[in-house]
Amino acid sequence: AQKVTQAQTEISVVEKEDVTLDCVYETRDTTYYLFWYKQPPSGELVFLIRRNSFDEQNEISGRYSWNFQKSTSSFNFTITASQVVDSAVYFCALSLGDNYGQNFVFGPGTRLSVLP
Amino acid sequence: DSGVTQTPKHLITATGQRVTLRCSPRSGDLSVYWYQQSLDQGLQFLIQYYNGEERAKGNILERFSAQQFPDLHSELNLSSLELGDSALYFCASSVDDRGTGGANVLTFGAGSRLTVL
Repeated sequence: AQKVTQAQTEISVVEKEDVTLDCVYETRDTTYYLFWYKQPPSGELVFLIRRNSFDEQNEISGRYSWNFQKSTSSFNFTITASQVVDSAVYFCALSLGDNYGQNFVFGPGTRLSVLP
Repeated sequence: DSGVTQTPKHLITATGQRVTLRCSPRSGDLSVYWYQQSLDQGLQFLIQYYNGEERAKGNILERFSAQQFPDLHSELNLSSLELGDSALYFCASSVDDRGTGGANVLTFGAGSRLTVL
């Protein structure tokens, strides 16, 4: 069965600090997809990124970057120069790509607080 | 605005009652997923419909049921409510483009917050 672990329950940083959110996943499948979602205080879950298991290239989008390492089954998310608006709960998720709901597994989330 | 509409946004009811949560998926999306988010359980997958048919079932209680209608909107019915059912209920939709493979991105609605007193 698939599993996603986000060991950091809560993180607090001061604005402009860099912060990395860890995500470790477990699956026996060779084809899978990894996601990050953001849940701001308003409550809605917002899609940030999707990665497939065959593409280990790191990705950068503005202040956000993602480091995918199959060797350690990790898909970590780094926010550079954090801002107060980055305060949210961040979820890492794993999908087998078959588009069956039970195979789209979310981690428990990491609550990030960015203090001014 | 994600394009996924959920109503009502907030609902307060008493134990033993029944409520219906409604979800309109994003235009063009055929799959609808329901999730429950409570403080101590994280995001729990309840059930998925694809083009009107049930596709996958997760940790959905027997007191809960759902359906997807011909116009693709979906309803989640919660009955004999208990205090522990208080949670945020999310609907998500996806294109479900199985023809090209790959995992679809789930687009979430704003959620319906249910409080059972």
